[in-house]
Amino acid sequence: EAGVTQSPTHLIKTRGQQATLRCSPISGHTSVYWYQQALGLGLQFLLWYDEGEERNRGNFPPRFSGRQFPNYSSELNVNALELEDSALYLCASSTPLGNTEAFFGQGTRLTVV
Amino acid sequence: KQEVTQIPAALSVPEGENLVLNCSFTDSAIYNLQWFRQDPGKGLTSLLLIQSSQREQTSGRLNASLDKSSGRSTLYIAASQPGDSATYLCAVRDNDMRFGAGTRLTVKP
Repeated sequence: EAGVTQSPTHLIKTRGQQATLRCSPISGHTSVYWYQQALGLGLQFLLWYDEGEERNRGNFPPRFSGRQFPNYSSELNVNALELEDSALYLCASSTPLGNTEAFFGQGTRLTVV
Repeated sequence: KQEVTQIPAALSVPEGENLVLNCSFTDSAIYNLQWFRQDPGKGLTSLLLIQSSQREQTSGRLNASLDKSSGRSTLYIAASQPGDSATYLCAVRDNDMRFGAGTRLTVKP
């Protein structure tokens, strides 16, 4: 069974541009979580989607947004990129019931120059 | 808002030692708690999941306990090996999933 897949693996963008990151959850999982991990720092919660709806978001500006598609895959969009947006972006998938493990993808390394 | 704290931030031990990592959380109304390991620059690997109704879970040399009422969990690693060197993270699941900052473990040969 395929795990959580994220694409692209690496992404280099110029300040002010937009970045789109993608996440495909494990089959049967309807919840997708997004996190930002800046170099040497912990995981900061960005967004939680379930059944196509945004369920919760962390303390990030509105230029961080996303969506979840009918097949439960998800996109994270970052507009007006800033240098400090450079980080590893991780997504995890799970069932929404809270009684199953969450599994992570390998992440997208975003570099803003 | 759920706050998750992990102590210590870093730990260095010689191979073969038993060790304990600590995780505390502020809101006891959780669904579960999950322990992960992260190797540098990589994603997270799930180690153990403890449901809110459970007290502990074991997998090989790993044992995790949960005391929901006091907002604490511990991860016990027996007979540590150099391959255990990584950052260990705990995550608490309530309305979303919040992480502690992690414990960076180094096991020296």
